[in-house]
Amino acid sequence: EPEVTQTPSHQVTQMGQEVILRCVPISNHLYFYWYRQILGQKVEFLVSFYNNEISEKSEIFDDQFSVERPDGSNFTLKIRSTKLEDSAMYFCASSDVGNEQFFGPGTRLTVL
Amino acid sequence: GIQVEQSPPDLILQEGANSTLRCNFSDSVNNLQWFHQNPWGQLINLFYIPSGTKQNGRLSATTVATERYSLLYISSSQTTDSGVYFCAVERLDDYKLSFGAGTTVTVRA
Repeated sequence: EPEVTQTPSHQVTQMGQEVILRCVPISNHLYFYWYRQILGQKVEFLVSFYNNEISEKSEIFDDQFSVERPDGSNFTLKIRSTKLEDSAMYFCASSDVGNEQFFGPGTRLTVL
Repeated sequence: GIQVEQSPPDLILQEGANSTLRCNFSDSVNNLQWFHQNPWGQLINLFYIPSGTKQNGRLSATTVATERYSLLYISSSQTTDSGVYFCAVERLDDYKLSFGAGTTVTVRA
């Protein structure tokens, strides 16, 4: 069964460093998403991406964040100059048009 | 934005018991999904159910879109059912899921 994959599973970084979280969506899906979940809290939407551009973004997704689809399979989230409060689980998801979203296993980001 | 409220926030069950989790939402939706978050933090898709009723083994779900709520039923609960259950919705012309705060289910042997 096709699935969304994410790497790495756990990333530890120092405050102020840049991190890139990687995702491989399900191959025939057209919509891609990033969400995050701070420990003990609910899942929050960050950004959606379609046809090589951002469809929608939340207030959280400020200039510190960027997304890219560098090739036909990968979808990345870059966080510049990480802060302590960026520590969270980051989930990638993908969907076909107007349909169910499928989530990857997540990347746990720890900022020290 | 759309509001999603889940109840109860916490649920403790004895193995073998049945339970009902509720999700209320504040606007019309074209997508509603139920997830189970396991102890490793993974979000497991349970149901894609913008309307109607579906069953999958011991789990079933019903969404009454006109009244803006959805119910998740767990029957004959097992310890492996423990975890957090999230409801998430998407409005027409939105490109995002809005999640509720979740129901934490603990099933005791």
